[in-house]
Amino acid sequence: EDQVTQSPEALRLQEGESSSLNCSYTVSGLRGLFWYRQDPGKGPEFLFTLYSAGEEKEKERLKATLTKKESFLHITAPKPEDSATYLCAVPGEGDDKIIFGKGTRLHILP
Amino acid sequence: KAGVTQTPRYLIKTRGQQVTLSCSPISGHRSVSWYQQTPGQGLQFLFEYFSETQRNKGNFPGRFSGRQFSNSRSEMNVSTLELGDSALYLCASKAQTSGYGYTFGSGTRLTVV
Repeated sequence: EDQVTQSPEALRLQEGESSSLNCSYTVSGLRGLFWYRQDPGKGPEFLFTLYSAGEEKEKERLKATLTKKESFLHITAPKPEDSATYLCAVPGEGDDKIIFGKGTRLHILP
Repeated sequence: KAGVTQTPRYLIKTRGQQVTLSCSPISGHRSVSWYQQTPGQGLQFLFEYFSETQRNKGNFPGRFSGRQFSNSRSEMNVSTLELGDSALYLCASKAQTSGYGYTFGSGTRLTVV
């Protein structure tokens, strides 16, 4: 069964303190890995799709990387507005189903 | 361009009642998916519709059902509500028949008392 595990569950950082969030996955054949951001009371907002090991994508202070077993979301010099839950996901069986991890709650202190 | 619109935003129901949630996808998007989000289980796939046909279904009991109309708007229904059905119900839409460019709505917060 396809699975996505994220760690840590929660992370508190000082403003400017860089760190990484981890997403490990078990799938029968990787057809992509997604990162979403979710703010309280809102739906997930799409950030990145990664398709193959070694691929990297960047957006402002965020960089996502992919290996054969896991993905990392690196946050460089974060600001309080980066506080959110970050969700990792993979396509499930049947193509139009997404399997989400439980997310990492990130809190950036000013 | 309007986003995915879900109504109502908040709902309180009593155990045993039924509820219908509505989702209007982005104009031109023909695929609509529904997810349940709870603190314990996270985001879980309910079902996906394309051109009024259910193409995929998650592991939920038959009390959870949905449908899609010819204008791509979708509804989901939960009958005989249980306390454990309290959750944020999210709808997502996308334009293509393949690929994963989903846009999510802000959800409907259902509380069962």
